[in-house]
Amino acid sequence: TQLLEQSPQFLSIQEGENLTVYCNSSSVFSSLQWYRQEPGEGPVLLVTVVTGGEVKKLKRLTFQFGDARKDSSLHITAAQPGDTGLYLCAGLLSTGNQFYFGTGTSLTVIP
Amino acid sequence: DTGVSQDPRHKITKRGQNVTFRCDPISEHNRLYWYRQTLGQGPEFLTYFQNEAQLEKSRLLSDRFSAERPKGSFSTLEIQRTEQGDSAMYLCASSLTRLAPQETQYFGPGTRLLVL
Repeated sequence: TQLLEQSPQFLSIQEGENLTVYCNSSSVFSSLQWYRQEPGEGPVLLVTVVTGGEVKKLKRLTFQFGDARKDSSLHITAAQPGDTGLYLCAGLLSTGNQFYFGTGTSLTVIP
Repeated sequence: DTGVSQDPRHKITKRGQNVTFRCDPISEHNRLYWYRQTLGQGPEFLTYFQNEAQLEKSRLLSDRFSAERPKGSFSTLEIQRTEQGDSAMYLCASSLTRLAPQETQYFGPGTRLLVL
């Protein structure tokens, strides 16, 4: 059973377009992380959000944690080929010590 | 470089052989996690340590898998009698629990295992 569902699973867009990736669950998380992973490498942390409703910006990337801390979104503005990769969300449950990863969103930005 | 390191980066073995992977976490991090990841999927939790104690194991971790962190620093993951289904990327991550709930994992580059 997958605790965190990401959508879409695959996304192929043209350079300059905007996109949003969603990470949803029925469980409450004390924190949620977003990672980007390139082929053959480990995930690299982009951001951690801990407060319901929190919005964090990292250059062209905007991350939002849902008010109920059950979901999150990642919005990329004016996507560039360098944004290509596998985007993963991961949550730390309020009641446990284990991180749960989402199913992943594979993004391809076409020049 | 003070990040998480893993060795080897790649391993090819024949079915039935034993393999061992090593992970060196960020030095001050007290937690260490092992994950398995197949192509295009998110990492699946295998086990984690707090200092030298193994606190949780996934049911994915069959009796052929064993992990140790003898001195609370580096960790090893051993797979005995490898099967073709064990082929995957094995990822290690470390974190510092004193920053909870901001506890954040930092990942190593992974060890890619191919069982022939």
